[in-house]
Formats: sequence, C-alpha cells, structure tokens
Amino acid sequence: EAGVAQSPRYKIIEKRQSVAFWCNPISGHATLYWYQQILGQGPKLLIQFQNNGVVDDSQLPKDRFSAERLKGVDSTLKIQPAKLEDSAVYLCASSLVAVGNTIYFGEGSWLTVV
Amino acid sequence: EDKVVQSPLSLVVHEGDTVTLNCSYEVTNFRSLLWYKQEKKAPTFLFMLTSSGIEKKSGRLSSILDKKELFSILNITATQTGDSAVYLCAVDNNNDMRFGAGTRLTVKP
Repeated sequence: EAGVAQSPRYKIIEKRQSVAFWCNPISGHATLYWYQQILGQGPKLLIQFQNNGVVDDSQLPKDRFSAERLKGVDSTLKIQPAKLEDSAVYLCASSLVAVGNTIYFGEGSWLTVV
Repeated sequence: EDKVVQSPLSLVVHEGDTVTLNCSYEVTNFRSLLWYKQEKKAPTFLFMLTSSGIEKKSGRLSSILDKKELFSILNITATQTGDSAVYLCAVDNNNDMRFGAGTRLTVKP
C-alpha cells in the first residue's frame, strides 16, 4: 500500500517569499491533516479536512497560511508571505476516518526560511 | 533508507496492567527519538531521548533509549482507560522526522 506522499521534501526560501506544499494521502482516506512541527516540539495541527471540507483550522494562521483540498483527495498548503518562524517540518497525514483511527504521516516537507 | 518500526501495532489490556511499547530504528544521522501520544488530533509530545541509558519519566510513563541496539521502549504502568491512544515514535535524523506507524493501545475497564 502506498503511503502518504508529500513534496517537495526540502525547501529554502527567503522571508516574505511564498511556498506551497503538496500532499497525496493514502488511497481511500477521507481525513487529511496538515501539521507544523518545529524541532523539539510535538507536531501542531494546522488544518484538518474531511473529504473536501474543513473540520478544524483553528490553529492555522490565516493571515499567511492557506490550504485546500478541492476534490477531496490531494491537498496543497501555502504560506505567503513566509516568516522566519515558519521554519519547520510540515507533515501531512491521513486516516480513514477522523476519530479513533491511526494517522499515517507523510515524510514531511522541511521548510527553512532565511 | 531510514525507517522507524513500532511494535506491536495494537495492544489491548485491562486497567492496572503494565505495557511496554517498542520502537526500533535505522537512520543514517540520528539526533533524537521522540514519543508522542495520539488521541484525536495532533499527537501530544511525551518524551525526547538523545542519550542511551538515561530513563525519562513522567508520572506512570517512562522511556529509555538504546543507541547501540537502535531501539527505545515506552513503559506505562498501572494503565488507565485514558491511556487509550495511538503512541507514535519518531526519529529526528537531522533532516526530517521519521515516524513509525504507531501502536494502538486500548485499555479496557
């Protein structure tokens, strides 16, 4: 079974530039998550989709971050403009359903903002 | 290829039991190993381990790392129903975080 695919794996940008990350969840998984992980800390949920609808985006800095999952499969997370403190690993994860199911993480997209 | 393998994949116990969760890893540039507890949303950080043989403890949970044998264990004593969750192990290989698939722990009353 193919896992959660993310790209790019690594990205270095200057502050105030924009960046986009792509995620393809495991086939059949209705729920998709984007996490931000700063090293040494637990991943922080940015947004959760159930199919193509947003379930939770309470921790998404909406002034600069946006995410979409238009067809209920792939998802894109965008940051514009980036700040230094956005340097982190952005983890995409998916699960069959939202609650009580194992979440499968992608390998992450490592962002460095300089 | 770097990988993190957790076992067992799932575990069902009764309240009061003690459980041991395992995490083995193969990474090219190990920096630290982390344990998370996952209930509904974002995984909750439990421990970060960087040195062999030094036990980290928080209440009924404890964890230790063996960098020679490339594994870590997470122990939970006197389990409670609130311990039911998926426990994730992740390894920082200095480039990114590699997560295991998790161990689903179910604690029955």
